[in-house]
Amino acid sequence: EADIYQTPRYLVIGTGKKITLECSQTMGHDKMYWYQQDPGMELHLIHYSYGVNSTEKGDLSSESTVSRIRTEHFPLTLESARPSHTSQYLCASSDPEQGEREQYFGPGTRLTVT
Amino acid sequence: KNQVEQSPQSLIILEGKNCTLQCNYTVSPFSNLRWYKQDTGRGPVSLTIMTFSENTKSNGRYTATLDADTKQSSLHITASQLSDSASYICVVSDRGSTLGRLYFGRGTQLTVWP
Repeated sequence: EADIYQTPRYLVIGTGKKITLECSQTMGHDKMYWYQQDPGMELHLIHYSYGVNSTEKGDLSSESTVSRIRTEHFPLTLESARPSHTSQYLCASSDPEQGEREQYFGPGTRLTVT
Repeated sequence: KNQVEQSPQSLIILEGKNCTLQCNYTVSPFSNLRWYKQDTGRGPVSLTIMTFSENTKSNGRYTATLDADTKQSSLHITASQLSDSASYICVVSDRGSTLGRLYFGRGTQLTVWP
């Protein structure tokens, strides 16, 4: 099982609050990813990083921001949460020794904005 | 447009029975195809990964096939167990970028009844 962790697992928060979803991995992977997934729908890439100080926006536009100050840590921040942000957020990293073929996912954070 | 289509959308089978899930894709240029299992409220876990030259790969009771000519894949589950109840996601990667971009299907929701 992959060593990639996300906290919190569940979060219910009011509109307008600032939130940070944590993601960390202990595998030393350079590439990390954030996906958004609504129930019954496919995963959508919202952010990715090639390594420290590298962040890029993904395919799906998102009001969230990310940072990559340390290799093992890739937090996602919403400055002002809205009900439209309610979703599941999945963090992943990929193994360069397998040519980035394998992505390992964290357990996800289920966010509900009321 | 790169797409991944899965069928059926949902499936109910009795414990001990076999089943086959289908995946059609239009991703090009093709790099590899993966099948993931996602339990409710969890992150996806890789079951198999196949490159262009591989047409079958097994992982215990899971057997995946790939026909790169017709751009189809299937996941066959034998002797199903209650713990097989999950969403099974087909994911295709292109080799057009160093990111190793993934294209996700919406998944087949499998329910195994006792």
